[in-house]
Amino acid sequence: EIVMTQSPATLSVSPGERATLSCRASQSITSNLAWYQQRPGQAPRLLIYGASNRHTGVPVRFSGSGFGTDFTLTISSLQSEDFAVYYCQQYNDWPRTFGQGTKLEIK
Amino acid sequence: EVQLVESGGGLVKPGGSLRLSCVASGFIFSSSGMNWVRQAPGKRPEWVASITTSSNNIFYADSVKGRFTISRDNAKNSLYLQMNSLRVEDTAVYYCARDRKLDYWGQGTLVAVSS
Repeated sequence: EIVMTQSPATLSVSPGERATLSCRASQSITSNLAWYQQRPGQAPRLLIYGASNRHTGVPVRFSGSGFGTDFTLTISSLQSEDFAVYYCQQYNDWPRTFGQGTKLEIK
Repeated sequence: EVQLVESGGGLVKPGGSLRLSCVASGFIFSSSGMNWVRQAPGKRPEWVASITTSSNNIFYADSVKGRFTISRDNAKNSLYLQMNSLRVEDTAVYYCARDRKLDYWGQGTLVAVSS
């Protein structure tokens, strides 16, 4: 099973600032990585797929990068609605696996 | 607009059964692989099962293999999850989600397993 490890567990950032979230896979997943945002009481929402492709309707301030085992989600200028939990997930191999999440909180 | 609507959750005793349904609209259901993903309170999402367009290939998490069965009816735009021999640790919100990249999710249905 591919283990996905996210860091940090919690990230405190001020509105308008940049946030950088990391995700590492225990073995290569090429670019088969997705990022999701989850707000309280809601289902996860796809932000990025294929490591760097924005899903339909996702604001341009969200960007993804990486290949192989190391991946990054960057939010360029945080808005109030961006404070949420973010998960990465690999879909390169079975079973599909998620990271433990990064909680992005207001500083 | 893509919509996925789950139903069938509820409270069940350990060892019991439930059948979840997910009705899809806004896209060509028969052309999309589908998935069930669950999330226990305060935990990360956990992939449960996937099924390809014609049901030719089916995959399960080890934690549910032999107890859960995923199926679909393309004529009814519907996805199902038959859950047998339920355990306390199966308690979670169950979501259906489209495609290998889980690009659209339903609102979820709560399954609570408790005596």
